[in-house]
Amino acid sequence: RKEVEQDPGPFNVPEGATVAFNCTYSNSASQSFFWYRQDCRKEPKLLMSVYSSGNEDGRFTAQLNRASQYISLLIRDSKLSDSATYLCVVRGQAGTALIFGKGTTLSVSS
Amino acid sequence: EPEVTQTPSHQVTQMGQEVILRCVPISNHLYFYWYRQILGQKVEFLVSFYNNEISEKSEIFDDQFSVERPDGSNFTLKIRSTKLEDSAMYFCASRPQTDTQYFGPGTRLTVL
Repeated sequence: RKEVEQDPGPFNVPEGATVAFNCTYSNSASQSFFWYRQDCRKEPKLLMSVYSSGNEDGRFTAQLNRASQYISLLIRDSKLSDSATYLCVVRGQAGTALIFGKGTTLSVSS
Repeated sequence: EPEVTQTPSHQVTQMGQEVILRCVPISNHLYFYWYRQILGQKVEFLVSFYNNEISEKSEIFDDQFSVERPDGSNFTLKIRSTKLEDSAMYFCASRPQTDTQYFGPGTRLTVL
């Protein structure tokens, strides 16, 4: 079983749409959870950390369900600039290495 | 805003040659990492470094790889004898005591 699994997409949505990405992780002892954003041929950039209580940053909302080992990201009112690959990232129990999903590609069109 | 920097941005080398990829982590960060991303694949952890020693490494980080912090600012990844399959984007990352890792812009390594 893959450690972090994501639907690769692509998700093609119009501007203003709401889009949701999901992710599952295999190690129940994982400690920390993140969404990173990666533009084509660029480095991953932290979008937000994910907490069990859920957290929101502007148009972005992240949720964590530890029982189901499931992480989600909701983007409201999509902008053209949101077009990117969204990486679900988990920090394992043993150390501080980040374990990445393969990413979900979002394309927002006008 | 402080950033992780990496040089060179692109390195082309012949198979069997040694390469050194360089990184300058954010100045007050304590933990340093190397990751790689083969084109079209996920980002993969290679090694973490803390207090002048390797704290964790993956299966990918075999005897061909080494890391060093030669001075107070640089953090390097050496590949002793490059193979075609080492062609990838190599990202350096650093973090303070908190959980968040900050990534550099990467070095694209092409092995011919």
